Amino acid sequence: QVQLVQSGAEVKKPGASVKVSCKASGYTFTNYDINWVRQAPGQGLEWMGWMNPHSSATGYAQKFQGRVTMTRDTSTNTAFMVLNSLTSEDTAVYYCARTSYSFGKGSLDYWGQGTLVTVSS
Amino acid sequence: DIVMTQSPDSLAVSLGERATINCKSSQSILYNSHNNYYLAWYQQKPGQPPKLLIYWASTRDSGVPDRFAGSGSGTDFTLTISSLQAEDVAVYYCQQYSNTPPTFGQGTQVEIK
Repeated sequence: QVQLVQSGAEVKKPGASVKVSCKASGYTFTNYDINWVRQAPGQGLEWMGWMNPHSSATGYAQKFQGRVTMTRDTSTNTAFMVLNSLTSEDTAVYYCARTSYSFGKGSLDYWGQGTLVTVSS
Repeated sequence: DIVMTQSPDSLAVSLGERATINCKSSQSILYNSHNNYYLAWYQQKPGQPPKLLIYWASTRDSGVPDRFAGSGSGTDFTLTISSLQAEDVAVYYCQQYSNTPPTFGQGTQVEIK
């Protein structure tokens, strides 16, 4: 069965960086894009960007351009998201989610369990 | 960016009654001439990630009960829960995946009356 398992909760100080991992299993990792979506406490869902694990191509929401990097390790079927220059407004649960179609646009059919990132001095 | 606007923000429905959530896109998200749209619906329960319910505006994901139905056309879409069950208490989000960035509605909280 398809699973996305994320790394554990993080506490960071303002100005620091955080790296969240997302380990995929149960399908061919390189065939489906991985997206990152975050959710601030009590708020809605915000898409951050996507990565193609086959080509390593990426696309980021304008809001995060220059501050986020999405990478992958195909030897371990793991996707990574690094967010730099953290502020308290980055406190949120970060999710990885798979695009449902191998090629082209799709909904998000499988989600990781979420990683809480808390930014506090 | 395409703006997705849901209504209402919250609703309370009696068990066994119908719940209807609306979602409006700020521009067309039409996929093809067969009335398919780049629209998905998700259900999120407290402390859990979102779960895909509906894609292409009206196709139920595998294992989703048939009391959940998606419909709509143009820029107006609807998620209907035909007979609300206790386990349906959650926040529901619509999402367009026609354009980048994909965008979500603000969410609709469904509760039991």
